[in-house]
Amino acid sequence: EPEVTQTPSHQVTQMGQEVILRCVPISNHLYFYWYRQILGQKVEFLVSFYNNEISEKSEIFDDQFSVERPDGSNFTLKIRSTKLEDSAMYFCASSAAGGPDTQYFGPGTRLTVL
Amino acid sequence: SQQGEEDPQALSIQEGENATMNCSYKTSINNLQWYRQNSGRGLVHLILIRSNEREKHSGRLRVTLDTSKKSSSLLITASRAADTASYFCATDASHNAGNMLTFGGGTRLMVKP
Repeated sequence: EPEVTQTPSHQVTQMGQEVILRCVPISNHLYFYWYRQILGQKVEFLVSFYNNEISEKSEIFDDQFSVERPDGSNFTLKIRSTKLEDSAMYFCASSAAGGPDTQYFGPGTRLTVL
Repeated sequence: SQQGEEDPQALSIQEGENATMNCSYKTSINNLQWYRQNSGRGLVHLILIRSNEREKHSGRLRVTLDTSKKSSSLLITASRAADTASYFCATDASHNAGNMLTFGGGTRLMVKP
């Protein structure tokens, strides 16, 4: 069964460094998402992406964050200058269609900012 | 409560018993989805119910949706120790342009063998 994959599974970085989290959505999906979950807290929406542009973003997704679909398979989340509070599990998700369609989540990347 | 709040926060039952988890939300929705998360792992999609549906079944799972009360319930019948996990509801609000899901805080279910 097709699944969303994410790399790396765990990323440790120093505060102020740039990180790129990578995702490979399910191949025939058109809608892509990033969420994050700080330890012990709710899963929070960051951004949705369709047709090579951002559809919606949350207040968390400030100028330090950016997303890109550099080729036909990858979907990346970049954090330009990481902060301690960016430490979280980051989940990528994809769906075949918009609206009431299932979002399938990847296994997550645990980001630790020291 | 915030959009997509589950109760109870924690539930402990014996294997073979049924587990019921509830979710309440505030705004109009396109759909509501239930996910499962094992500790420290990813989110596994369980079931999606659309705003015009009232009940859906999938194996041992039964989900109901009451849009007049803005609430949903997830019933797991004949629970197994392997069902131990956190369960989240997530709503896709009608006013969202980008299919943003809003998650609740989850119910931690423990099924004792």
